[in-house]
Amino acid sequence: QKEVEQDPGPLSVPEGAIVSLNCTYSNSAFQYFMWYRQYSRKGPELLMYTYSSGNKEDGRFTAQVDKSSKYISLFIRDSQPSDSATYLCAMSVGNTGGFKTIFGAGTRLFVKA
Amino acid sequence: ETGVTQTPRHLVMGMTNKKSLKCEQHLGHNAMYWYKQSAKKPLELMFVYSLEERVENNSVPSRFSPECPNSSHLFLHLHTLQPEDSALYLCASSQARGGRYEQYFGPGTRLTVT
Repeated sequence: QKEVEQDPGPLSVPEGAIVSLNCTYSNSAFQYFMWYRQYSRKGPELLMYTYSSGNKEDGRFTAQVDKSSKYISLFIRDSQPSDSATYLCAMSVGNTGGFKTIFGAGTRLFVKA
Repeated sequence: ETGVTQTPRHLVMGMTNKKSLKCEQHLGHNAMYWYKQSAKKPLELMFVYSLEERVENNSVPSRFSPECPNSSHLFLHLHTLQPEDSALYLCASSQARGGRYEQYFGPGTRLTVT
């Protein structure tokens, strides 16, 4: 079983839709959860950073962590064509100083105008 | 624009060539990383330098050789590569201890081995 599972998509939605992106994981030691956005031919860009369980909101983006289910989500409200990118989830074990950061394979999102 | 820069952005090399990739971070971090990104695969961690100490991924072939002269600069030396080494090579940096561990990435070097 992979440590982090992420549906590769592609996911295609109309402009203005609410997008839900998800990852599941198997290692209960993960404490730090991140979402990165990667545009074509660019490096990943940090979007959201969450420690432990709960919700975190930043503008149109909401990150949700459910440690009991080992499930994390990223919601995008009022999606825009500029949100079209690949979204990577990532998680790490804190006491290793960030070295053990595991990434999902990424979900490719298309937002149609 | 991020605080991590990489050069060159694109590189085409033959299997007998020797080349180097360069990364520089301006974020005051004390850990730097090399990742390989192939199509539809998760990021593959190749090397980590923390406080100038190297942590290796034992599955990385010896034709890849990292160098970290200080906490701001990181190199990846390449020699006798194979076509399957063609990929996007990403550099990242983070704080290694006592804080947030998220990594900041450079734009990557798109490597093609012919």
